[in-house]
Amino acid sequence: SQQGEEDPQALSIQEGENATMNCSYKTSINNLQWYRQNSGRGLVHLILIRSNEREKHSGRLRVTLDTSKKSSSLLITASRAADTASYFCATDGDSGAGSYQLTFGKGTKLSVIP
Amino acid sequence: DGGITQSPKYLFRKEGQNVTLSCEQNLNHDAMYWYRQDPGQGLRLIYYSQIVNDFQKGDIAEGYSVSREKKESFPLTVTSAQKNPTAFYLCASSTTGFMDGNSPLHFGNGTRLTVT
Repeated sequence: SQQGEEDPQALSIQEGENATMNCSYKTSINNLQWYRQNSGRGLVHLILIRSNEREKHSGRLRVTLDTSKKSSSLLITASRAADTASYFCATDGDSGAGSYQLTFGKGTKLSVIP
Repeated sequence: DGGITQSPKYLFRKEGQNVTLSCEQNLNHDAMYWYRQDPGQGLRLIYYSQIVNDFQKGDIAEGYSVSREKKESFPLTVTSAQKNPTAFYLCASSTTGFMDGNSPLHFGNGTRLTVT
C-alpha cells in the first residue's frame, strides 16, 4: 500500500522558532491527516485537510496541501519545548478493492530546545 | 472521559506463547484498528474492523488474530507464528471506517510487547 514520506527525519530548533515538516505521497488521495506522538504514547490527531483544500490553520499549526506535487507541509509557529514529539502524516490512498486504507509515514522527530 | 484503553502498558512473554492485548473504547465508534510500530518505522496496519462481528486483514496480518464480539472491544492475539513479535502495538478507533476517509483516528497509549 502507498505510504507518505516525511522530511526531514529529524529536526532540532530553538524555542520560539518555526518548524516546518514535509510529507510526500504517491497516489491520489481524498484527504491527508497529521498526527503527533509523544515518546512512548499513542498518536494524537492534529489536523485533516481535504484534497480540495489548499491550506488549513489550527492554533499555531498551518497545513498546506499541493495535490499537483503530491505533497503537504506542516508548519508549527513560535515553537515551545512541549512541541517536542514525532509528527506523522497519514494518507487515505486506494489500497485496492475499493478500500481507502489510512497509511502512515515514518515520521519527523522534532526537538525544541528551551 | 471518553477514550481508548489499552492494557497492559508493558507485556513480557516467552517465545512460543500466544499473548492477547486488550483494547477497549467508550467513544461509541464503529471502527477499530490495530497498528504495529517498530523503531524508526511508521505504523503498519495489522487488522481493522468496521463493524461488530466483521474484521479485515491489514498489511501485516500473518501471525495475528482478532475478534470483534462487542462494539467496545477489539482484542489482538499475537500467536507463536508471528516471527518478530517484539514491538509497540497501538489500537485506534474512528466514528466510521476506511470507506469514509474523513474520520480521524483516536489512539490508545499502546502496549509494548517484548518476547524473549
